Amino acid sequence: RKEVEQDPGPFNVPEGATVAFNCTYSNSASQSFFWYRQDCRKEPKLLMSVYSSGNEDGRFTAQLNRASQYISLLIRDSKLSDSATYLCVVDNAGNMLTFGGGTRLMVKP
Amino acid sequence: DVKVTQSSRYLVKRTGEKVFLECVQDMDHENMFWYRQDPGLGLRLIYFSYDVKMKEKGDIPEGYSVSREKKERFSLILESASTNQTSMYLCASSLLGGVQPQHFGDGTRLSIL
Repeated sequence: RKEVEQDPGPFNVPEGATVAFNCTYSNSASQSFFWYRQDCRKEPKLLMSVYSSGNEDGRFTAQLNRASQYISLLIRDSKLSDSATYLCVVDNAGNMLTFGGGTRLMVKP
Repeated sequence: DVKVTQSSRYLVKRTGEKVFLECVQDMDHENMFWYRQDPGLGLRLIYFSYDVKMKEKGDIPEGYSVSREKKERFSLILESASTNQTSMYLCASSLLGGVQPQHFGDGTRLSIL
């Protein structure tokens, strides 16, 4: 089983739609969680950290479910510019990060 | 803003060559990392360093070495390049202490012919 698993997609959604991605992780001792965004042929960039209580940043909401060992990312009112690959990132219960393979989102006009 | 700079965006080398990839960060970060990213495999950690002259193997260190002579600079070395090392190479840095988010350079797309 992969340490961090994501549905690779692609998720094809129309502009204005709400879309959600889930990510599961295998290490129950993991404490830190992040979502990164990666545009085609570009480097990953931190989108948001994921806190235990859940957190929101504009149209983006991240949730953590420790019992089921998954995190989610919800994007409301999708924009064309949201098209990218979203990487789920989890610490390995040490001080290293493990990256999921990414979920590709394509927002269509 | 954190700036992580990789020396080349695109690089073409030949099998057997010794290849150097350079990475510099300007935020006085203690941790620096080298990853490679391949389709379907995601990011895989090659080596990391948490201090000058310190290095630790990541998940796929074979065929690579690293050098950290100065805090701001972390070099990845392909001792004898092979075609299976054709990949996107990403450098990242982060603060020490707990688990900090990592900041990435633009990446170097390396082709070994």
